[in-house]
Amino acid sequence: DVKVTQSSRYLVKRTGEKVFLECVQDMDHENMFWYRQDPGLGLRLIYFSYDVKMKEKGDIPEGYSVSREKKERFSLILESASTNQTSMYLCASSLPGQGMDYGYTFGSGTRLTVV
Amino acid sequence: AQTVTQSQPEMSVQEAETVTLSCTYDTSENNYYLFWYKQPPSRQMILVIRQEAYKQQNATENRFSVNFQKAAKSFSLKISDSQLGDTAMYFCAFMKLGAGNMLTFGGGTRLMVKP
Repeated sequence: DVKVTQSSRYLVKRTGEKVFLECVQDMDHENMFWYRQDPGLGLRLIYFSYDVKMKEKGDIPEGYSVSREKKERFSLILESASTNQTSMYLCASSLPGQGMDYGYTFGSGTRLTVV
Repeated sequence: AQTVTQSQPEMSVQEAETVTLSCTYDTSENNYYLFWYKQPPSRQMILVIRQEAYKQQNATENRFSVNFQKAAKSFSLKISDSQLGDTAMYFCAFMKLGAGNMLTFGGGTRLMVKP
């Protein structure tokens, strides 16, 4: 069964900490995405990557950075966590053409609380 | 930029009844895909149904069907014979064809199926 795995289901961090959210997929997908999910706002794209070491900003990149050193791993980095970054973070992946036919494969999310 | 609007934050339906979830979108594109995703309490996003904009025929997947009105930019989801397992958040999403095939999501509708 194909999988997108997010390293933590729940995470609590302090304001100002550097936070790493990890996502690993085992499907050899080129495209990987980080979304943030907030009530009433749905999912908003933070960053995406269409190849190793390639990244593109999404709709809300401020306060975030990403790293993709290997094809299977896409990391989201909060350089200095703030309380307004408390949210659910979802990782997803897809093949370049397959995303249209089958949608994305999502991870189960990391609920991050910044205190 | 594309926007997706779901005007019903919450809905409820009796088991075995039919319910329709609304979605409208705004785009200047002519070729695109539309999706409905389901997110149960487990948080795992599941693709429910998709529609290609160039197809006039409405997509159907078992108890799930859509009413796609391209001119009106409307994409509603109908769930027939509702089951308790349909209780979830439902997200409408738009995919513009191009680099990354990014999804733009609506704010979501929380559906409760009552016994």
